[in-house]
Amino acid sequence: GAVVSQHPSWVICKSGTSVKIECRSLDFQATTMFWYRQFPKQSLMLMATSNEGSKATYEQGVEKDKFLINHASLTLSTLTVTSAHPEDSSFYICSAVRGTGGYEQYFGPGTRLTVT
Amino acid sequence: GNSVTQMEGPVTLSEEAFLTINCTYTATGYPSLFWYVQYPGEGLQLLLKATKADDKGSNKGFEATYRKETTSFHLEKGSVQVSDSAVYFCALSDFGQGAQKLVFGQGTRLTINP
Repeated sequence: GAVVSQHPSWVICKSGTSVKIECRSLDFQATTMFWYRQFPKQSLMLMATSNEGSKATYEQGVEKDKFLINHASLTLSTLTVTSAHPEDSSFYICSAVRGTGGYEQYFGPGTRLTVT
Repeated sequence: GNSVTQMEGPVTLSEEAFLTINCTYTATGYPSLFWYVQYPGEGLQLLLKATKADDKGSNKGFEATYRKETTSFHLEKGSVQVSDSAVYFCALSDFGQGAQKLVFGQGTRLTINP
């Protein structure tokens, strides 16, 4: 149990376009999901905390108007990269916390975004 | 702010060798400490955790002890296997600064040769 999926696994888009990445908890409900960004050979950087039914909380330095997060249900959170530029190319990873009050995060396999 | 520092990789060992991956942390409050593993093409998985000083986390032959006096949480395994090849991340979670947030080290890529 505790499987998290991401779709797509990789995507290539042109500069200036928007791309949406989905994060789903397949066999549990997740009130809280997290979005991370991982640069090559570097650590995961927390971008934002996504809570079902409320606005996401963004980490310092993350542009909330560029990285739109919607947590519409207890099993789905989406990250939309708006007006993408080559510097947005990265590996985006989500995680989900089972139920409420839990603390263990279950991670998705990640989405590779390349902006040309 | 909170931070985690891991030993630089990559690390290459022969099968059955002893493994140590160093991890030290800086944190206010009393963090929980974690080791995550990322196998090729897969998401991060929790390997082990410790929630208070002197706790030892263990799983799949891996161990790590929460050392408050040295602010360390080194990962060890007595005899590694080829299947242990992966990227290992040390992390801390400080509930005092926002529940459940994780701060990761930079990751250590481990390759085990047969």
